[in-house]
Amino acid sequence: DVKVTQSSRYLVKRTGEKVFLECVQDMDHENMFWYRQDPGLGLRLIYFSYDVKMKEKGDIPEGYSVSREKKERFSLILESASTNQTSMYLCASTLAPAQGSGYTFGSGTRLTVV
Amino acid sequence: KNQVEQSPQSLIILEGKNCTLQCNYTVSPFSNLRWYKQDTGRGPVSLTIMTFSENTKSNGRYTATLDADTKQSSLHITASQLSDSASYICVVRGTGGSYIPTFGRGTSLIVHP
Repeated sequence: DVKVTQSSRYLVKRTGEKVFLECVQDMDHENMFWYRQDPGLGLRLIYFSYDVKMKEKGDIPEGYSVSREKKERFSLILESASTNQTSMYLCASTLAPAQGSGYTFGSGTRLTVV
Repeated sequence: KNQVEQSPQSLIILEGKNCTLQCNYTVSPFSNLRWYKQDTGRGPVSLTIMTFSENTKSNGRYTATLDADTKQSSLHITASQLSDSASYICVVRGTGGSYIPTFGRGTSLIVHP
């Protein structure tokens, strides 16, 4: 089975800190995604990447950046954490979205910014 | 703009009862529709995928239906169990252009003993 691993389940950071969320997948998927999930709002796409060193903005990229230096790893960076970035962050990967492949999600990182 | 609307927003049922969750979408042209189950504190997991030509698909006690003409899907859960307590998310993908799917906001199901 494909596994998507997010480095932290729970994270507490202070306002203004630079935060790194790491995601690693083990099935050679080219496409990786970062979503945030908030009650009543569902999953919202922050950034995605379809290849190494490639990145595309999703629906809510403000305040975030990403890094994809290796195929298996996709990092989400909060340049200066703010309280409104407190959320559940989900990483996902997929093999061939154009052919209808589904997402495999990580278990999520619950980030609290205080 | 592509939209996916799910109803109800939340649902509470007793163990052993059946229930049906609804998903209406505007995504066009349509490629496929997936239902995901998300347990509390975990990432979503795919339950089933429906393509244009499929009307019904089952996965154990879960049965998904699709009416591509009315752009509606349902997820029916039979003989509910406590482990069915979760959020169920409908995700629709269109053809051409961006391959990014559109997510519904989910239905939160609680099964009480």
